[in-house]
Amino acid sequence: KAGVTQTPRYLIKTRGQQVTLSCSPISGHRSVSWYQQTPGQGLQFLFEYFSETQRNKGNFPGRFSGRQFSNSRSEMNVSTLELGDSALYLCASSFGLREYFGPGTRLTVL
Amino acid sequence: AQKVTQAQTEISVVEKEDVTLDCVYETRDTTYYLFWYKQPPSGELVFLIRRNSFDEQNEISGRYSWNFQKSTSSFNFTITASQVVDSAVYFCALTTDTDKLIFGTGTRLQVFP
Repeated sequence: KAGVTQTPRYLIKTRGQQVTLSCSPISGHRSVSWYQQTPGQGLQFLFEYFSETQRNKGNFPGRFSGRQFSNSRSEMNVSTLELGDSALYLCASSFGLREYFGPGTRLTVL
Repeated sequence: AQKVTQAQTEISVVEKEDVTLDCVYETRDTTYYLFWYKQPPSGELVFLIRRNSFDEQNEISGRYSWNFQKSTSSFNFTITASQVVDSAVYFCALTTDTDKLIFGTGTRLQVFP
């Protein structure tokens, strides 16, 4: 099976812009989670989607949103980008209790 | 509050040395799961092991072993005869019924030839 894929792998944006990141889970996985990794805050959970419904949400402002499509693919959106949003955004699909991570999207906000 | 502490920020060893990465967790839930992940320079998190709170058996997988002790809320990871390819950041994480993966701050392991 193909692994979790994330697009794009790298992204450069400027403050105030918005960005959409995409994640394709492993075939058959219905749960997708998003994480933000920064040097200062480490790895933090953003949200989880299961069957197109948000099941869990971390402690992030409303500028961070996501959705999941009927084919389990997921997108996350960050509006009004801030410098502090520069991070590696990791997507994970899960089957049972094990999560499989994608390679991440590295977002740089200038 | 749920929390995972990895007190060792960085560890450097010479190849073939044994090394132990410490992980201490906090949770009030009686059912929880502990994980170890490896993050090589490429950035992708690689799953290493999962342990549930009712299974305190230690586990060995090749050069890797894990020591889970509920009495001290610890889930330590030992690499025996370390190799240069083991160089990475290692994360310990906790999942409960109420919280998705809560990660520790990670331990950067550098193995020198």
